[in-house]
Amino acid sequence: QVQLVESGGGVVQPGRSLRLSCAASGFTFSDYGIHWVRHVPGKGLEWVALIASDGTNKNYGDSVKGRFTISRDNSKNTVYLQMNSLRAEDTAVYYCAKANVVLMVYSMPENWGQGTLVTVSS
Amino acid sequence: AIQMTQSPSSLSASIGDRVTITCRTSQGIRNDLAWYQHKPGKAPKLLIYAASTLQSGVPSRFSGSGFGTDFTLTISSLQPEDFATYYCLHNFNFPCTFGQGTKLEIK
Repeated sequence: QVQLVESGGGVVQPGRSLRLSCAASGFTFSDYGIHWVRHVPGKGLEWVALIASDGTNKNYGDSVKGRFTISRDNSKNTVYLQMNSLRAEDTAVYYCAKANVVLMVYSMPENWGQGTLVTVSS
Repeated sequence: AIQMTQSPSSLSASIGDRVTITCRTSQGIRNDLAWYQHKPGKAPKLLIYAASTLQSGVPSRFSGSGFGTDFTLTISSLQPEDFATYYCLHNFNFPCTFGQGTKLEIK
């Protein structure tokens, strides 16, 4: 079955960096885009980024553009989210999710991991 | 970015009630919209995609409709496990954006 496991969360000071990982299994990883979505405690869901199946097409939410970088290693079935210049408002549970359509740039998050908590605080 | 206006922000209803949540977009998005259910401490769950297509395994009491700028999620007969927060999401262009969420509570 499809499984996604996020890791790399933790407590980090404002202005510092953190890299999240999303390890996938149970499907042909190189055929699907991967989304990152975050949930601020007590608030709503926010779409963060999407990387296409082959890694050539990357898109970001407005609040993270220029600070976050999404990448993938298809040989390791893993997607990464490099988060730089972190701010208090980046505090959230970060989820990765598999796209719902194969080989398409535009897709919806379908299968989700359980999330990893990032806390930005001094 | 396309703005998503979801309403109501919260809703109290009883078991067996019919409930409708709406999502309006700031520009036409064809049918490039999905609905998600989110419970505390759990991952969000995809319910509906392409505005009206039921995701595999989702009960048929959930349905979606709409095209262009106005969309609805309907739960025909509320069950205890349906109390959660619901979100719409578009993928018409980038960035994708979520609605603000509708918290569905037991009356």
